[in-house]
Amino acid sequence: EVQLVQSGAEVKKPGESLKISCKASGYSFTTYSIGWVRQMPGKGLEWMGIIYPGDSETTYSPSFQGQVTISADKSISTAYLQWSSLKASDTAMYYCAREGSGAGYGMDVWGQGTTVTVSS
Amino acid sequence: YELTQPLSVSVALGQTARITCGGNNIGSRNVFWYQQKPGQAPVLAIYRDIYRPSGIPERFSGSISENTATLTITRAQAGDEADYYCQVWDDNTRVFGGGTKLTVL
Repeated sequence: EVQLVQSGAEVKKPGESLKISCKASGYSFTTYSIGWVRQMPGKGLEWMGIIYPGDSETTYSPSFQGQVTISADKSISTAYLQWSSLKASDTAMYYCAREGSGAGYGMDVWGQGTTVTVSS
Repeated sequence: YELTQPLSVSVALGQTARITCGGNNIGSRNVFWYQQKPGQAPVLAIYRDIYRPSGIPERFSGSISENTATLTITRAQAGDEADYYCQVWDDNTRVFGGGTKLTVL
């Protein structure tokens, strides 16, 4: 079964760092991209960025460039989303999603989501 | 690039719902639709404008014209109540519409 399993909920203080994970199984990790999507409380989906684990090529939304870092570890089929200094406005649900290579492929498999709460 | 969706659409049980997604020359892009039920992760409902992934009922269909993509749900069921998002590629990034809340009356 193809699945993405995300790390558990996090509660952090402003200024702290955080790295959340997305572990893939059931398919070849290096032949699909992994994207990250933010959903703030009661709001819509926002695309943050994507990584192709085969060569680690990464693309960010202009809105998130410089705010987060996306990475992947092929050896353990896991993608990551990290912050160096969290803000209260980072409070949201974060989803990872698999995407096939090429413009004709959507995000066909999603993780269950990781809730991040940033509060003093 | 911006995608415009209505905030909400209502449909009577068993009738047909149409959710639109407007964008400049959207007809030249591949459009994807996602369904998100409360408390759940999104699910890909339509890809490349008109194609249904396995497991998505035939009641769901997509269509596209020059500036509008449409998700059509026939014989609407209570279980179709959800938020629906359209999405396209814009250069190497992806853009979501603001989402439409479908209510089945």
